[in-house]
Amino acid sequence: DAKTTQPPSMDCAEGRAANLPCNHSTISGNEYVYWYRQIHSQGPQYIIHGLKNNETNEMASLIITEDRKSSTLILPHATLRDTAVYYCIAHGSSNTGKLIFGQGTTLQVKP
Amino acid sequence: NAGVTQTPKFQVLKTGQSMTLQCAQDMNHEYMSWYRQDPGMGLRLIHYSVGAGITDQGEVPNGYNVSRSTTEDFPLRLLSAAPSQTSVYFCASTPRVMDTEAFFGQGTRLTVV
Repeated sequence: DAKTTQPPSMDCAEGRAANLPCNHSTISGNEYVYWYRQIHSQGPQYIIHGLKNNETNEMASLIITEDRKSSTLILPHATLRDTAVYYCIAHGSSNTGKLIFGQGTTLQVKP
Repeated sequence: NAGVTQTPKFQVLKTGQSMTLQCAQDMNHEYMSWYRQDPGMGLRLIHYSVGAGITDQGEVPNGYNVSRSTTEDFPLRLLSAAPSQTSVYFCASTPRVMDTEAFFGQGTRLTVV
């Protein structure tokens, strides 16, 4: 699975959009980009994933660049409950269920 | 569905003691895995299994044993606990379907004194 790089921390004002970047320059053609978050040391929670098209669900949007070397997770209207560590993971379609986590980005949403 | 259930939630061990961390899932997922998370760090893969009777090592397997006799259960055994194994342990399960996410338990907080 490709290595991912994320900034260690970010701040966002409550109600504003939070844009979390992820670099995955060595991603291969069959690897998906997954995002998880972890709130207060609970178990990680799935947010969204994509292969090459932009994706949106009820939690977030995922924008993947055309060359697939980077992506951005967008929380459109951040709330205090979105304060968490966000992990970007590049994961192959073979999907043996093993995930390689990096350090993630700690997002602090401020009132 | 209960999802992924880990027991116990908290445990204190003395150095040299053994114990088993339990993980059970009721979603009939083929894949299961164990992670540890040290303070301020991301999760690191200990062992994983792609089905009953099949296990393999992850990034940090030393000091841990696993077995998978049923689809539902994937216990993690510490044979002789060491202070370096103080951590929070997470179990996850994933269906054997391309393009799907992992489901995590709520963790076991282990302290070895």
